[in-house]
Amino acid sequence: GNSVTQMEGPVTLSEEAFLTINCTYTATGYPSLFWYVQYPGEGLQLLLKATKADDKGSNKGFEATYRKETTSFHLEKGSVQVSDSAVYFCALSDNNQGGKLIFGQGTELSVKP
Amino acid sequence: DAGVIQSPRHEVTEMGQEVTLRCKPISGHNSLFWYRQTMMRGLELLIYFNNNVPIDDSGMPEDRFSAKMPNASFSTLKIQPSEPRDSAVYFCASSPDRDPNTIYFGEGSWLTVV
Repeated sequence: GNSVTQMEGPVTLSEEAFLTINCTYTATGYPSLFWYVQYPGEGLQLLLKATKADDKGSNKGFEATYRKETTSFHLEKGSVQVSDSAVYFCALSDNNQGGKLIFGQGTELSVKP
Repeated sequence: DAGVIQSPRHEVTEMGQEVTLRCKPISGHNSLFWYRQTMMRGLELLIYFNNNVPIDDSGMPEDRFSAKMPNASFSTLKIQPSEPRDSAVYFCASSPDRDPNTIYFGEGSWLTVV
């Protein structure tokens, strides 16, 4: 079945460091891929998405490229801020199943000043 | 625009009591989802509706859980009787048919059963 695997956290970085959170997936067909962010005490917010191979999603300085050959959708940011501290979830949606999202386990990011 | 609205935001209840969680999806969205988040199991899809009809309830853990969507602007998730292992954050989410794979989440209902 479809699944998403993320790198384990927590990830601790200093402010202005480069961020990569790895995400790989297993899916039949051609899923859409997403990154969601959850700030402490809040719900999930859509950060970015990509709907087909080689698409790059971007938002708020974060980027991720849909790599079909490596079944990956790694999240990157060139210079993190303390305000980026949150839990990040990679997810896929089977385009044949009406929007059901399958989530990875989440990666906690802590950015220190 | 108003997002997905959930109530209550926080609830503490005693074991055996009935719990009802409520959700108002984004206006115009055709699909509604209930998710549960726990430390042990992460995010799990419990059930989803399309045009008020339950499409997939395979994630509903057991008969104590039930969900309804009587109209396009309201859904409930009920737990009766509640147990301590039901303590979790319950998220409602919705998406439009024109872009069904982009799902918008509410802020969650934080349930504690003691």
